[in-house]
Amino acid sequence: GQQLNQSPQSMFIQEGEDVSMNCTSSSIFNTWLWYKQDPGEGPVLLIALYKAGELTSNGRLTAQFGITRKDSFLNISASIPSDVGIYFCAGQQVSGGGADGLTFGKGTHLIIQP
Amino acid sequence: NAGVTQTPKFRVLKTGQSMTLLCAQDMNHEYMYWYRQDPGMGLRLIHYSVGEGTTAKGEVPDGYNVSRLKKQNFLLGLESAAPSQTSVYFCASSYSSVITEAFFGQGTRLTVV
Repeated sequence: GQQLNQSPQSMFIQEGEDVSMNCTSSSIFNTWLWYKQDPGEGPVLLIALYKAGELTSNGRLTAQFGITRKDSFLNISASIPSDVGIYFCAGQQVSGGGADGLTFGKGTHLIIQP
Repeated sequence: NAGVTQTPKFRVLKTGQSMTLLCAQDMNHEYMYWYRQDPGMGLRLIHYSVGEGTTAKGEVPDGYNVSRLKKQNFLLGLESAAPSQTSVYFCASSYSSVITEAFFGQGTRLTVV
């Protein structure tokens, strides 16, 4: 199957710091999505990107769809304790007239140190 | 608005037993998916459906079957559970192949002993 390389695997930061994470692929994707998962919960959609070069914000979160369509970035500004969790990128490549489902990265575990 | 609801939330099975996980969505979405989540592996697609009466295999379909008899429901079956199927299972749905934002249920934690 398609592979998404998400990095970093984990981040230990201080409250108030900015955070950056990214996903890369060897394949072209038509859609990039970013999710956050809290312990014991399902992933929750943060940002959806549909066009190459697109830059979209959701509060303190900003995500970009790479020009090559093979990567995406998520930035979190001025982190707060509730930002703790696992962040997943997901991409979709529509082929053969139907969707094959989202391909997920392995996640970035964000830990905020007091 | 309930969104995506999964039942049960927890289950322990013995090896060889069978069970069915139920997913229901009330958003009138065409597409539904079953994923499994294992530590360090992210989410992997088991099966998906692009509409009522249709199903297709995902990345890791072996040992599972699915059915989509009604648009709002997507069932995942394990005919003969194995310890390797111990995982957290997530159901998701999305509106179409164009609007691909998927919404997830809260998960089913399955342990096979």
